[in-house]
Amino acid sequence: EVQLVESGGGLVQPGGSLRLSCAASGFTFSSYWMHWVRQAPGKGLVWVSRINSDGSSTAYGDSVKGRFTISRDNAKNTLYLQMNSLRAEDTAVYYCARDSTPGYYYMDVWGKGTTVTVSS
Amino acid sequence: SYELTQPLSVSVALGQTARITCGGNNIGSKNVHWYQQKPGQAPVLVIYRDNNRPSGIPERFSGSNSGNTATLTISRAQAGDEADYYCQVWDSSTVVFGGGTKLTVL
Repeated sequence: EVQLVESGGGLVQPGGSLRLSCAASGFTFSSYWMHWVRQAPGKGLVWVSRINSDGSSTAYGDSVKGRFTISRDNAKNTLYLQMNSLRAEDTAVYYCARDSTPGYYYMDVWGKGTTVTVSS
Repeated sequence: SYELTQPLSVSVALGQTARITCGGNNIGSKNVHWYQQKPGQAPVLVIYRDNNRPSGIPERFSGSNSGNTATLTISRAQAGDEADYYCQVWDSSTVVFGGGTKLTVL
């Protein structure tokens, strides 16, 4: 079964850091681009970041650029999101998602999400 | 940056046809994808590349894209179709989501 399982969310103070993980199984992880998408409480989906299959290329949304870093370990089938200088507005459910097909950039598999709360 | 505009809400009578629009500048030149999200759940891809259905998605779901508007059409709407729907495109090396539309089945 194709599956993505996020972990690492929690409560963190403003200015703090957190690292999210996304464990992939049931498919050849190293062949796929991956994304992080977040959703603030009661709000819509917002794209956070993406990484290509070998980790050599990354991109970020404007709201997290310079603070968040996406990475991956293909040997461990795991995607990461290092989040620094966290702000209250980063509070959200964070989803990892698989990019279906290179060149078309849509997400065909999603994890259930992990919740990040930034508050003092 | 590229923007996608969706209506906040759409209502449809049980068994009728719902149409959810996604507006963007010359969106017809882009590939548009649609996701369904039910409360407390992760999004699910329902249409990709304008008008293609992933396996397991009912034929009642279809899509079109032309000019400045893409449309998700849900035929014979069922109570289980009640959800938030998001359109998405790729622009300038970034993913862009619409603001989402809440579909209510009456």
